[in-house]
Amino acid sequence: GQQLNQSPQSMFIQEGEDVSMNCTSSSIFNTWLWYKQDPGEGPVLLIALYKAGELTSNGRLTAQFGITRKDSFLNISASIPSDVGIYFCAGPYGQNFVFGPGTRLSVLP
Amino acid sequence: DGGITQSPKYLFRKEGQNVTLSCEQNLNHDAMYWYRQDPGQGLRLIYYSQIVNDFQKGDIAEGYSVSREKKESFPLTVTSAQKNPTAFYLCASSIAADIKLFFGSGTQLSVL
Repeated sequence: GQQLNQSPQSMFIQEGEDVSMNCTSSSIFNTWLWYKQDPGEGPVLLIALYKAGELTSNGRLTAQFGITRKDSFLNISASIPSDVGIYFCAGPYGQNFVFGPGTRLSVLP
Repeated sequence: DGGITQSPKYLFRKEGQNVTLSCEQNLNHDAMYWYRQDPGQGLRLIYYSQIVNDFQKGDIAEGYSVSREKKESFPLTVTSAQKNPTAFYLCASSIAADIKLFFGSGTQLSVL
């Protein structure tokens, strides 16, 4: 079935650094969703993208809908300790959604 | 406050027992979903429902059952046929026009 790939799988950064991660697909998507999940909690929707080339921000987070419609990128600027968690991408697929495996972010003080 | 409420937060199942996880939403969403999340793995779809009184099997429906008698409620029963039920269960809902998926806070099910 359809799969989304995310890279990197995990990353360790220093507090204050910027972070970049991406999500790719073998198929075209019309919507990209980015989530953050804290341990033991449900994923929280960060940003939704609906149009190729679209760039959308939510505070220190910025996400872009790739021009090819087969990828999307999430950037976090000036990371802080509470940015720790798993970030994953998702997109609608038929009547359901498909999810990436996630990027685990660790922020070192 | 609009949202998706899952209960209980933690649940323990004995051998041979059926347990039911509750999911209620007041977002007026038509579609509701149940996902299973195992450590270090992605989300896997158990069941979904697009409208009341109708639901469809997902990728890992065996050992689970659902009902959708009301728009706002989509309970999941983990039956004794599910031999490896320990996992984090997530309920979600969406409205087709907006194509956004929202999640509850999850239920951690463990076997005694």
